[in-house]
Amino acid sequence: QSVLTQPPSASGTPGQRVTISCSGSSSNIGSHIVNWYQQFPGTAPKLLIYNIDRRPSGVPDRFSGSKSGTSASLAISGLQSEDEADYYCAAWDASLNGRVFGGGTKLTVL
Amino acid sequence: QVQLQESGPGLVKPSETLSLTCTVSIGSISTYYWNWIRQPPGKGLEWIGYIYYSGDSKYNPSLKSRVTISVEASRNQFSLRLNSVTAADTAVYYCARGWGSTSPMDVWGKGTAVTVSS
Repeated sequence: QSVLTQPPSASGTPGQRVTISCSGSSSNIGSHIVNWYQQFPGTAPKLLIYNIDRRPSGVPDRFSGSKSGTSASLAISGLQSEDEADYYCAAWDASLNGRVFGGGTKLTVL
Repeated sequence: QVQLQESGPGLVKPSETLSLTCTVSIGSISTYYWNWIRQPPGKGLEWIGYIYYSGDSKYNPSLKSRVTISVEASRNQFSLRLNSVTAADTAVYYCARGWGSTSPMDVWGKGTAVTVSS
């Protein structure tokens, strides 16, 4: 059971906008920055969004993040087939005194 | 561009110690936090712990009694030791760099698969 809660799956058609939610608590998302990672099968995770809504160099601006209270969201606009991957949210948890991840969301592009 | 490479045995027997090393190349191990994360087959990511180049470390409470992370700055390496392993420790193990203790992890190794089996 992950500390952060994500839907196990999400889907959309090319060109659509999809959002993936991440629910936590006051000890993690509510008080610390949220980061998102993208992982393709058989490869290492890649930092996609950091500090809630910032993108590392090279990440398309189709990807955006937001946070409200103890929840965060990842939005992907203009969905493309190459966006099909697993997405994980992550944050620091002050109660556990450690990093916590969501269980991951498998995004399918129909 | 800094690169990370995990190395170590791919097979460990139950009750024995899992030992992995992460080598940091094209960059210094100084001033960053160095993490270990694992991913059991078909499952999500689990943070194991981190070490700062000075030696300060922090571990996942669920693994704390069995984990030791150490750093050898002169060799640009840091290591993971996990004692008393069981089949539940079978996973792909990743090392990753963090800007700070709670900051995102921006550079990851490719991962190394470890199976616990007799």
